Amino acid sequence: SAVISQKPSRDICQRGTSLTIQCQVDSQVTMMFWYRQQPGQSLTLIATANQGSEATYESGFVIDKFPISRPNLTFSTLTVSNMSPEDSSIYLCSVSDRGGIQYFGAGTRLSVL
Amino acid sequence: KNEVEQSPQNLTAQEGEFITINCSYSVGISALHWLQQHPGGGIVSLFMLSSGKKKHGRLIATINIQEKHSSLHITASHPRDSAVYICAVRSHESIQGAQKLVFGQGTRLTINP
Repeated sequence: SAVISQKPSRDICQRGTSLTIQCQVDSQVTMMFWYRQQPGQSLTLIATANQGSEATYESGFVIDKFPISRPNLTFSTLTVSNMSPEDSSIYLCSVSDRGGIQYFGAGTRLSVL
Repeated sequence: KNEVEQSPQNLTAQEGEFITINCSYSVGISALHWLQQHPGGGIVSLFMLSSGKKKHGRLIATINIQEKHSSLHITASHPRDSAVYICAVRSHESIQGAQKLVFGQGTRLTINP
């Protein structure tokens, strides 16, 4: 199993600012996934982060808006840049173990004013 | 049409009732996940299925690969079962060697005492 510590759990931010979300995993994992869940919607994959290489972004998401760091096999950050109210969502990081079971962080609930 | 469809979208029941949530998908999959999301946003993996049936406590999950359909059942439902239940399939589409998760819209379950 994997335990993921995600922080902050929530934040209220001003338009135009940036927020960095951190995820720490208690074991080494090859890939970490970053998801967005807009109000009333299901999860949408933002990007997949591999250690030592650039993240792979899904259609509709770009590195300038959502830069990701993956400095080692247990840690990753997602930054939401130049925020607007449309960025108000829950952001979640996730990993899967070798058996394919998916584990999620507790989520970061972001409100942009 | 979404690749993963859940029904119903909302379900309210009385404590003790037998609950069924359905999931249909249209893509080729290697596995199907049932996830539980509580109001705070955190997500817990309940089951991962590739065939047949799994049981954990009062929860039962079944999958029919030929019909591309899965069901999640809750027996003797309790108010603490109130949550959003999400079906997600691991598609054959690859991300850097991993397989991508595609999520349903979720079913909001409320169990009244």
